[in-house]
Amino acid sequence: DQQVKQNSPSLSVQEGRISILNCDYTNSMFDYFLWYKKYPAEGPTFLISISSIKDKNEDGRFTVFLNKSAKHLSLHIVPSQPGDSAVYFCAARRNRDDKIIFGKGTRLHILP
Amino acid sequence: GAGVSQSPSNKVTEKGKDVELRCDPISGHTALYWYRQSLGQGLEFLIYFQGNSAPDKSGLPSDRFSAERTGGSVSTLTIQRTQQEDSAVYLCASSLSQGVRSEQYFGPGTRLTVT
Repeated sequence: DQQVKQNSPSLSVQEGRISILNCDYTNSMFDYFLWYKKYPAEGPTFLISISSIKDKNEDGRFTVFLNKSAKHLSLHIVPSQPGDSAVYFCAARRNRDDKIIFGKGTRLHILP
Repeated sequence: GAGVSQSPSNKVTEKGKDVELRCDPISGHTALYWYRQSLGQGLEFLIYFQGNSAPDKSGLPSDRFSAERTGGSVSTLTIQRTQQEDSAVYLCASSLSQGVRSEQYFGPGTRLTVT
């Protein structure tokens, strides 16, 4: 049973345009959501997070939106840059439990 | 060190052999996590340690897997009698604390191939 789902295994976006990565979750007990970025042969690195009490968090070119009623979150990257090409993992944490559940990831290709 | 380190970076072993994977967390980080990523899969939680508390082993896939953390720092993940399905990248992460919303810092991983 996959509690965090990233249904798009890959996404290609033109440089300079907006990249939108989507994530759905099933567990209503999740109260904190994170996005990680992973380059080949490296460990994932933290990108941005959002608490369930918010619906938006912005950090530079990266914005995460949370729709609790739909159990959906998305990561927007604008403008997309070549260095954004990587695998992006959506993750969620349950109440009073710091075990983080990860999705399968979406591979983002930024096209020149 | 500056970040989480893992060794070896690559390990090829024959089916049935035991392997040990090592993780050196960031100094001062009290929480340590092990994950694995199989081909085409997401990050699968295996185990985490927090200070002197009993580890959460709920993600270990079988009793062939075990882990220990000595002195609250270095951790070793041991896989006994390896099987081909154990082939994956094993990632270690550490964070300042479990109780607060502190981000996890990941090591580069150990790529395990069981032949």
